[in-house]
Amino acid sequence: RKEVEQDPGPFNVPEGATVAFNCTYSNSASQSFFWYRQDCRKEPKLLMSVYSSGNEDGRFTAQLNRASQYISLLIRDSKLSDSATYLCVVPGNQFYFGTGTSLTVIP
Amino acid sequence: DAGVTQSPTHLIKTRGQQVTLRCSPKSGHDTVSWYQQALGQGPQFIFQYYEEEERQRGNFPDRFSGHQFPNYSSELNVNALLLGDSALYLCASSPGTGRTEAFFGQGTRLTVV
Repeated sequence: RKEVEQDPGPFNVPEGATVAFNCTYSNSASQSFFWYRQDCRKEPKLLMSVYSSGNEDGRFTAQLNRASQYISLLIRDSKLSDSATYLCVVPGNQFYFGTGTSLTVIP
Repeated sequence: DAGVTQSPTHLIKTRGQQVTLRCSPKSGHDTVSWYQQALGQGPQFIFQYYEEEERQRGNFPDRFSGHQFPNYSSELNVNALLLGDSALYLCASSPGTGRTEAFFGQGTRLTVV
């Protein structure tokens, strides 16, 4: 089983929509998690950190379900500028990345 | 603060050649990790350097080697290049080897022909 698994999408949503991505992880001892955003042909940039049950930053909410070993990222009121790939990361001896979920917000 | 900087940004090499990629970490960061990202995939961990030593290594062959200098900057060397080594190579720095956020450089796009 992979350390981190994500639905690769693609997700195509209209502006203003709410969209959610899920990510499952295999190591039940993991304590912290990250969501990174990666624009086409650019480097990943930290979007949110999740250390407890969840985190909220404006239109973005990350939630953690330890019992089911998944984390989610919710984006409300989607903007065109939200179009990107969202990478789920579980730190361990190394950073374990998911394959990324592609989001396109359509006008 | 210049953030994480990598050089070169693009590189084209021929099969069998050797390549060296460079990374300067974010100010105050002493740990450097290298990742390979193939098109359409998430980054794959190559190795991590801390205190000038390789601390962790991913599932990459010995053709991939590295170095960290006293100023915390790092190099990634790849010998005997294969076509499959074509990818975006990302350097990430962090303060220590703990499970803290990492900051990425813009990457070096390597094409092997």
